[in-house]
Parts: sequence; structure tokens; C-alpha cells
Amino acid sequence: LAKTTQPISMDSYEGQEVNITCSHNNIATNDYITWYQQFPSQGPRFIIQGYKTKVTNEVASLFIPADRKSSTLSLPRVSLSDTAVYYCLVGDGYSTLTFGKGTMLLVSP
Amino acid sequence: DAGVTQSPTHLIKTRGQQVTLRCSPKSGHDTVSWYQQALGQGPQFIFQYYEEEERQRGNFPDRFSGHQFPNYSSELNVNALLLGDSALYLCASSLPATSESYEQYFGPGTRLTVT
Repeated sequence: LAKTTQPISMDSYEGQEVNITCSHNNIATNDYITWYQQFPSQGPRFIIQGYKTKVTNEVASLFIPADRKSSTLSLPRVSLSDTAVYYCLVGDGYSTLTFGKGTMLLVSP
Repeated sequence: DAGVTQSPTHLIKTRGQQVTLRCSPKSGHDTVSWYQQALGQGPQFIFQYYEEEERQRGNFPDRFSGHQFPNYSSELNVNALLLGDSALYLCASSLPATSESYEQYFGPGTRLTVT
């Protein structure tokens, strides 16, 4: 399974755009990139998944460069309720989910 | 609401005891995975059940066992509890794996405290 590296923590203010970058240098051809969000004492929640280029849904965008060795989760205009831990995962649908420590995002007023 | 339910929400046990945690998957899902999440860490995969059989297993001792029922619900059993088993236990359900399907729906978890 490809290992991922992401910042331990990030700080932002309400209304700003937040970009969290994840490195996955040994990503395999069949691997997808998936991001989960987790609030304290709750289970992780799927945010977005992509394979290449850009994917956008109602809550976030995912940017993947051509070499796919990294990816960036973009959260537009964050609010206090976006304070959470964000996990980047790499694998195919047959792989079990392997979580790292994630990125703790703190949004302040 | 992801639709995955777990019971109980909290549990306190003593070292050496046994515990059973329960999970009902999201409607339409037939695959159930269990994770252990220690404080400050990401969830760690325990095992996955599909068609009532353990399909994959993480690096957990045999004290951790499970079961899946015909209605796809699942149980996680932990024997001979250790203090280090204190954690949030998460259940996740998903559709049958495909090369593109990587979305799992997590329940709220069961907080187990071993004293």
C-alpha cells in the first residue's frame, strides 16, 4: 500500500480557502486517492475521491497532478464547523483503508 | 447520517474480561469492516467480513474475533481484555469491492474503556 505524508496540523480563519497537500510517492497505477474527515468521537466521513486531474463536489475539490505523486484537498471558504482531522488515503477498492495520523485543521473566528 | 449503527455507545470493562460490540451496516451494504482508534491516532484496520466470512485481517491478535450474520450485521469480540484495548471501535460498511469503489460509511463508534 502506498504510504502517505501530510502535515500534522494547519490553522485557518473563517471564510478562507484551505489547501491540504498529501504526498504519495509510490502510488500504484490502480490506486485512487481518497480523503476522509473526522470530528472528535465520531467515525470518519468520506469527502472526495479522485484518480487524476481535478474532481469537485459540493464540499471540496481534489487536485491531482499528472505524476499523481501528490494531491491537494481544497476546502473553499471554511467555517468553524470544518475544524476536524482530515485523512488522505491511497489504494484501490480491494485494499483495506490504511489511515495515517491525518491533518488536524483548526478554523478560528 | 451514514446509516451505520453501533451498540453500545460506551462500555467499561475490567482487564481479563470479554466484550462484544455490535454493528448494523448501511442499507444495501454487505461488507463490514472493523477499526480500532486509539486516542490521537488514525483508525487501524482489524478485519473485514463479506458473505459471513472474514475476508481480510489486519495486524491484531487472535483475541480479536468477529462474526457476520445473514442480515449482514456484525459483531466484534475481544477476549482477555488488556488496558491497551481501550479505544474507539469503529464499524464501517461498504458495497462489494470494485477497483473504483473505495468509499466506506462509518458508524459513530463504541468507546471501550478497560480498567
